[in-house]
Amino acid sequence: GENVEQHPSTLSVQEGDSAVIKCTYSDSASNYFPWYKQELGKGPQLIIDIRSNVGEKKDQRIAVTLNKTAKHFSLHITETQPEDSAVYFCAAPGDSSASKIIFGSGTRLSIRP
Amino acid sequence: DTAVSQTPKYLVTQMGNDKSIKCEQNLGHDTMYWYKQDSKKFLKIMFSYNNKELIINETVPNRFSPKSPDKAHLNLHINSLELGDSAVYFCASSRRRRTGDGDTQYFGPGTRLTVL
Repeated sequence: GENVEQHPSTLSVQEGDSAVIKCTYSDSASNYFPWYKQELGKGPQLIIDIRSNVGEKKDQRIAVTLNKTAKHFSLHITETQPEDSAVYFCAAPGDSSASKIIFGSGTRLSIRP
Repeated sequence: DTAVSQTPKYLVTQMGNDKSIKCEQNLGHDTMYWYKQDSKKFLKIMFSYNNKELIINETVPNRFSPKSPDKAHLNLHINSLELGDSAVYFCASSRRRRTGDGDTQYFGPGTRLTVL
């Protein structure tokens, strides 16, 4: 089955700086990679995703890059703001039926004022 | 207009008790999930139902029994609660069953279960 590794587990950046979170996956057949954001006391929420037929996708201050050869993908947040403080999870398909996703272990991002 | 709702939000109980958590979604989705999030924030899938049919049953003790009376509801019943069951339990839904192929999951607010 798929295995997703995520790092770092915690990340602290100055407001206005950029943050990068990296994930690796094990199944070369995986072709869909979402990122979820979990704010304190809430459930995770999808913020961006990428399919394997593209190498990069942007949505305002967030972007995701994918390197299929190396089997890793990354979340980039630019011009960080206090509301970016949260736990971020990467994910990948859990099996060939695509009926589940496997989450990474999460990254707690803190934005310093 | 809450999309995915869970009750209760907090549940404190003694070891050995039986408890239930309820989940409802008003998104018209076909597929619903239960996840367990431990104290280290690991998010692990437990069960998934598609149109009331069980499609995912991970290695979860059989003290945990999901029940889906209709596709808008997925409840979780836990028998003989143990200390290790303490966690936050999240319900989620997706439009179809292919969440690994782009069907976004919508999560509820979570139920924090504490077993004393």
